[in-house]
Amino acid sequence: KNQVEQSPQSLIILEGKNCTLQCNYTVSPFSNLRWYKQDTGRGPVSLTIMTFSENTKSNGRYTATLDADTKQSSLHITASQLSDSASYICVVSAMGDYKLSFGAGTTVTVRA
Amino acid sequence: EPEVTQTPSHQVTQMGQEVILRCVPISNHLYFYWYRQILGQKVEFLVSFYNNEISEKSEIFDDQFSVERPDGSNFTLKIRSTKLEDSAMYFCASSFTDAGAGGTEAFFGQGTRLTVV
Repeated sequence: KNQVEQSPQSLIILEGKNCTLQCNYTVSPFSNLRWYKQDTGRGPVSLTIMTFSENTKSNGRYTATLDADTKQSSLHITASQLSDSASYICVVSAMGDYKLSFGAGTTVTVRA
Repeated sequence: EPEVTQTPSHQVTQMGQEVILRCVPISNHLYFYWYRQILGQKVEFLVSFYNNEISEKSEIFDDQFSVERPDGSNFTLKIRSTKLEDSAMYFCASSFTDAGAGGTEAFFGQGTRLTVV
């Protein structure tokens, strides 16, 4: 069964600071890993998507890394802004799968 | 930018009633999905739909649920006899290829909040 574990569950950071979120997964055979941003009461919005051959991908101030050997990924947010306050969700899928398996997310709160 | 649209944004229904949640996927996408998120919990997969048939479904998607693509643009989720535990945010999503295929994007709608009373 595909499993996605994220840490920390939540964090609070000051505006302008950086933070890193972690994701561990068990998926076989691995196809891709995505990071989504979800504002409260809204649908998830894609930030990055990486296949097994990619180990880093950036989208503005968001940089995701992937270590397919250790089955770990991280999402780094640089120079945080108040609008970064949201839940960040790690999502994986296996080859041949139609579904996405979601982690529980990390709730990030950015304070002025 | 193309987007997935869902209606209604919020629906309140009495237990035992039938509800239909509607979605308009992105026009050139071929794969369609329904997910749900119970308040405070993670997003869960319900069903995927391709080539006018269900391609995969989860244990949650029992006989009370059905999906349909009645025309070339709409994709619906029907719950025949709602239960209190069906209260959740329901998300529709679409993609050009299946989720397990490399680097394809899956786009989500804004969701329908279903409240069963």
